[in-house]
Amino acid sequence: GENVGLHLPTLSVQEGDNSIINCAYSNSASDYFIWYKQESGKGPQFIIDIRSNMDKRQGQRVTVLLNKTVKHLSLQIAATQPGDSAVYFCAENYGNQFYFGTGTSLTVIP
Amino acid sequence: KAGVTQTPRYLIKTRGQQVTLSCSPISGHRSVSWYQQTPGQGLQFLFEYFSETQRNKGNFPGRFSGRQFSNSRSEMNVSTLELGDSALYLCASSSLAGGINEQYFGPGTRLTVT
Repeated sequence: GENVGLHLPTLSVQEGDNSIINCAYSNSASDYFIWYKQESGKGPQFIIDIRSNMDKRQGQRVTVLLNKTVKHLSLQIAATQPGDSAVYFCAENYGNQFYFGTGTSLTVIP
Repeated sequence: KAGVTQTPRYLIKTRGQQVTLSCSPISGHRSVSWYQQTPGQGLQFLFEYFSETQRNKGNFPGRFSGRQFSNSRSEMNVSTLELGDSALYLCASSSLAGGINEQYFGPGTRLTVT
């Protein structure tokens, strides 16, 4: 999961396996969430979003799950590829402001 | 079309100095948002400009300021730099005000304060 420490959580997966990246958000009133991917030397890139009235949303090779009971968000990447290696972080929206997590570093082992 | 560009990419300043960073949005985008990214705090929203007007502002001291020009290019300025201002400063553009789900980020300016 994500934290505010100095070192990012890391996740290493074998190419072709599925990846699950977790995010614990802070506010039960948050109504909109986004997952970002940030490759080294680049800015964040929008991956997928989900509103609080949903508990699951699927994109291309990615699925976001939302559990409002425990304030938990997860990103599942199917058939992980080397190009998926990056830092992934979530964002939550409440009070018309977005708050971002620090991220998880995903490394795909060929 | 060309993406969001930020200049300079890297910058080293000393405490007490001021710095100006520049962002050119994607052509046709009128909204530019600025963020500070640090390992400990993650991404934090600084401010958003839309059509030359500051539309929204995060919780940063007044030393952080910005502006947007008529061509949508934006600058942010940090005065009286502190060591804690060392960070990656990202700008993002979108066609809509507050359109965070369609924001496109630039590569950032890495600021180091010594």
